[in-house]
Amino acid sequence: EAQVTQNPRYLITVTGKKLTVTCSQNMNHEYMSWYRQDPGLGLRQIYYSMNVEVTDKGDVPEGYKVSRKEKRNFPLILESPSPNQTSLYFCASSLYRTVQETQYFGPGTRLLVL
Amino acid sequence: AQKVTQAQTEISVVEKEDVTLDCVYETRDTTYYLFWYKQPPSGELVFLIRRNSFDEQNEISGRYSWNFQKSTSSFNFTITASQVVDSAVYFCALSEATFTTGANSKLTFGKGITLSVRP
Repeated sequence: EAQVTQNPRYLITVTGKKLTVTCSQNMNHEYMSWYRQDPGLGLRQIYYSMNVEVTDKGDVPEGYKVSRKEKRNFPLILESPSPNQTSLYFCASSLYRTVQETQYFGPGTRLLVL
Repeated sequence: AQKVTQAQTEISVVEKEDVTLDCVYETRDTTYYLFWYKQPPSGELVFLIRRNSFDEQNEISGRYSWNFQKSTSSFNFTITASQVVDSAVYFCALSEATFTTGANSKLTFGKGITLSVRP
């Protein structure tokens, strides 16, 4: 089954404790992206990657890091999480980065930073 | 500046009523795509439809229909004979041509509309 998977689905952590949210897709997609969803703000892009070893900042990159060492994986790293990073996170992928491509989303990761 | 506006934040209807969710967008590009996604209470984002800027034909899929009007920069979504299972948050999103967003084909989302369908 074609899908985007994220792990963990739920995470409670404390301020300053490094964490990684994994994202994997099995569709051989080139483009991958991370979004965060906050009440009243919709979804905002954090980082994106056009292909292996090619990543760039989205609209709200502060406090996050990413890497793209393999085509299928695009982990999101919070080096020192803070309470304002409490959010619902989505990973998405599309075949290419072009405007017409539909992005397919993972199931989401709910993060609570205490 | 906000590029996708979903002015309605919450809508509540009784089952079998028709309901229209509004979406107004803003772009300087001539080539762009519009999307609707559904987020049910379980939280995942489900793709519903994609429409390109050159195709203004309305689209119907079962109880769902979409009305795209470039003249008013709107892409509205109507659910006919709503059902309880339609209860969800609905997002409208815009994907602009790469020369506007650079190499990034990000989606710009509206803030979402929470639809509650009561039995």
